[in-house]
Amino acid sequence: GQQLNQSPQSMFIQEGEDVSMNCTSSSIFNTWLWYKQDPGEGPVLLIALYKAGELTSNGRLTAQFGITRKDSFLNISASIPSDVGIYFCAGGGETSGSRLTFGEGTQLTVNP
Amino acid sequence: KAGVTQTPRYLIKTRGQQVTLSCSPISGHRSVSWYQQTPGQGLQFLFEYFSETQRNKGNFPGRFSGRQFSNSRSEMNVSTLELGDSALYLCASSPIRGLGIKNIQYFGAGTRLSVL
Repeated sequence: GQQLNQSPQSMFIQEGEDVSMNCTSSSIFNTWLWYKQDPGEGPVLLIALYKAGELTSNGRLTAQFGITRKDSFLNISASIPSDVGIYFCAGGGETSGSRLTFGEGTQLTVNP
Repeated sequence: KAGVTQTPRYLIKTRGQQVTLSCSPISGHRSVSWYQQTPGQGLQFLFEYFSETQRNKGNFPGRFSGRQFSNSRSEMNVSTLELGDSALYLCASSPIRGLGIKNIQYFGAGTRLSVL
């Protein structure tokens, strides 16, 4: 099925470092969402973006909705051990109801 | 407020059997979507229900079906199970259809299905 191209697939960083991950698509999306999933749990919404060019922050997290509506990035500043997990981007279209298309995920490991 | 509840959490079945998974949305939420998560294919949309009607369907064979009840609870059924159906099945609920600012989807913890 269709998926977004998310990179990198995995990241190994030291505590305190900044992290950046992004998603690209060949299709236009009207909504971009970033989720985090911990082992044994469902995805939890981190940031939602609804307008092209929008830049939104949630604590140490910042995400942007690309101008072309075909990409988005997520930055995490000053990483801490509890940031460990899998981060997913997801896109939604205007006519797709609640349907989300997900990226492959970025596995983040933070070394204390 | 209770979150999205999925039961059972774990399930083991054999090839050829059928299985029914349940999802209770957050109180007041009327839209329920289902996703399949596997290491190879990632998170794939299965279907979306709203007001007891299927509104959207992903690219899965007819062996995958679902329904929604008047209290918004939803079930999904997989018949004639195959090894490749082993996955984490996630349910998400939101107040109404769509992806608006006030219409956030919340996910349950999922049902881990293993087909032997």
